[in-house]
Amino acid sequence: DQQVKQNSPSLSVQEGRISILNCDYTNSMFDYFLWYKKYPAEGPTFLISISSIKDKNEDGRFTVFLNKSAKHLSLHIVPSQPGDSAVYFCAAANYGGSQGNLIFGKGTKLSVKP
Amino acid sequence: DTGVSQDPRHKITKRGQNVTFRCDPISEHNRLYWYRQTLGQGPEFLTYFQNEAQLEKSRLLSDRFSAERPKGSFSTLEIQRTEQGDSAMYLCASSPVGPRDGYTFGSGTRLTVV
Repeated sequence: DQQVKQNSPSLSVQEGRISILNCDYTNSMFDYFLWYKKYPAEGPTFLISISSIKDKNEDGRFTVFLNKSAKHLSLHIVPSQPGDSAVYFCAAANYGGSQGNLIFGKGTKLSVKP
Repeated sequence: DTGVSQDPRHKITKRGQNVTFRCDPISEHNRLYWYRQTLGQGPEFLTYFQNEAQLEKSRLLSDRFSAERPKGSFSTLEIQRTEQGDSAMYLCASSPVGPRDGYTFGSGTRLTVV
């Protein structure tokens, strides 16, 4: 039973346009959500996070939106750059339940074409 | 500090052999995590330590797997009697307590069981 779902295995976007990566979750106990980026042969790198008490968090070109009622979050990258091409993982945590682990989705491979 | 280091980067072993991986976390991080990632999947939680105490273990961590963090610094993950299904990328990560900004991952150890 997958608690964090990324239903799009891949996404292709033109350089300069917006990339929107989506993530759905099923566990209402999750109170913190994170996005990681992963290049081949490297470990995942933390990108941006959002607490469940917020609905938006922005960091430069990256914005994460959280819709708790829909159990849905999305990552917007504007403008997209070729260097953004990577696999993006959505992750969720239940810090209020003192669980230390993150639950990851399967990832979405983003390709930004010049 | 150069981040989270994992050794070796690659390991090929015959089925039935034992293997041990090492992780050196960021020195000031109290928490250390082990994850496993197979092709097409996101990282799956195995276990985590706070200092030298192992606080949580996943059901994925069968009896053949054991992890230690003897002095609250580096950690080892041992797999006994390896099986082909153990082939995966083993990722280590570390964080301060209460990782609101996510973990820092190492580059992983890729295990191939032949």
